[in-house]
Amino acid sequence: QVQLQESGPGLVKPSETLSLSCTVSDYSISSNYYWAWMRQPPGKGLEWIGSSSHTGNTYYNPSLKSRVTIPVDTSRNQFSLKLNSVTAADTAVYYCARVCSTGRCLDYWGQGTLVTVFS
Amino acid sequence: QSALTQPASVSGSPGQSITISCTGTSSDVGAYDYVSWYQQHPGKAPKLMIYDVSYRPSGISNRFYGSKSGNTASLTISGLQVGDEADYHCSSYTSSGNWVFGGGTKLAVL
Repeated sequence: QVQLQESGPGLVKPSETLSLSCTVSDYSISSNYYWAWMRQPPGKGLEWIGSSSHTGNTYYNPSLKSRVTIPVDTSRNQFSLKLNSVTAADTAVYYCARVCSTGRCLDYWGQGTLVTVFS
Repeated sequence: QSALTQPASVSGSPGQSITISCTGTSSDVGAYDYVSWYQQHPGKAPKLMIYDVSYRPSGISNRFYGSKSGNTASLTISGLQVGDEADYHCSSYTSSGNWVFGGGTKLAVL
């Protein structure tokens, strides 16, 4: 059973960089899968942020592309989210997940972590 | 990319059937059979219930049924149970190579 766990600061100041990590257990992140980040602002629906593979292939939401990177660290079996120049609109629960082998769904998710942008 | 449109809430009684709709455009829902549905209980991670419009992952009850017509996908839950009470999210791959989600639907089992 693949397990994912998000970690990182729960508070970030405006204009700074939001950095989260997702540790993958019981599965190698170097396998032929993509890994993704989503977020859910309070009271709103989910939003796809982007996806990356361990080979460096990446896909990002066009609305966030200029501010986001999703690096994969195979030595630590982790992947990360870096979102710069944050504002209050980036306050959300952030989820990491594994992309299905078909590439068209998300089959394992982390529990999510709340990040608040607050000065 | 605009979010897919879902009803904010639906409700049903135990044993009944309900259907949740998910309306997109010809660039997402209507373009591919790549719609998926996720169940989310309060404070929990989303769980994949349906992928590729109508396929169920291993372990998902056949009470959950997915379908699509044109730009609208649907999730039908039959034989409603109290444990089905949750938020349900739809998602679709898009012609731009991105993914888009719906706003989520809160299911109440009364």
